[in-house]
Amino acid sequence: GENVEQHPSTLSVQEGDSAVIKCTYSDSASNYFPWYKQELGKRPQLIIDIRSNVGEKKDQRIAVTLNKTAKHFSLHITETQPEDSAVYFCAASRGGGGNQFYFGTGTSLTVIP
Amino acid sequence: GAVVSQHPSWVICKSGTSVKIECRSLDFQATTMFWYRQFPKQSLMLMATSNEGSKATYEQGVEKDKFLINHASLTLSTLTVTSAHPEDSSFYICSARDRTGSGANVLTFGAGSRLTVL
Repeated sequence: GENVEQHPSTLSVQEGDSAVIKCTYSDSASNYFPWYKQELGKRPQLIIDIRSNVGEKKDQRIAVTLNKTAKHFSLHITETQPEDSAVYFCAASRGGGGNQFYFGTGTSLTVIP
Repeated sequence: GAVVSQHPSWVICKSGTSVKIECRSLDFQATTMFWYRQFPKQSLMLMATSNEGSKATYEQGVEKDKFLINHASLTLSTLTVTSAHPEDSSFYICSARDRTGSGANVLTFGAGSRLTVL
């Protein structure tokens, strides 16, 4: 099955700085890569996603890049704010039908005011 | 947007008893739902894929007889932890895929169920 690795496991940045989280995947058939944000005690929420036919996608302060050849994708958060503090998970899926989502191990991001 | 309701949010039970957790898609039909287990400060571990009208597909290492999954309708999947033991204590989260409209293939999570087995 798919194996998704995520780094770093913890990340601390000063408010206003950028944060980058990286993930790699093993299944070349995976074609959908979402990122989820999970605040303490809450459900994971989708923040951005990218499909394999796109190399980069941006939504305000959040961007995701995908390198299909190298099988890695990254989350970029610019101008970080304290409310960005949470655990972030990447995931990979083949998309369509009942194909599963496999999650990375998570990154605990702390934005220091 | 798509909403997934999960309950109970917290359940405490005695060792040896069974606990049922329900996952409902409120405003969309979900032919497929996923069940995850999450340990404190750890990732979401996929346990099984629940398919409406057919048997669930379990991930390697997950006991089928221990974690019974039923997906009887397009909006409801249940996970039953049978003969629960303290090591089954965990946070269980369901999710469903909305395959229609602009949210196609987006995974929506329930709020999770915290199980504590005494």
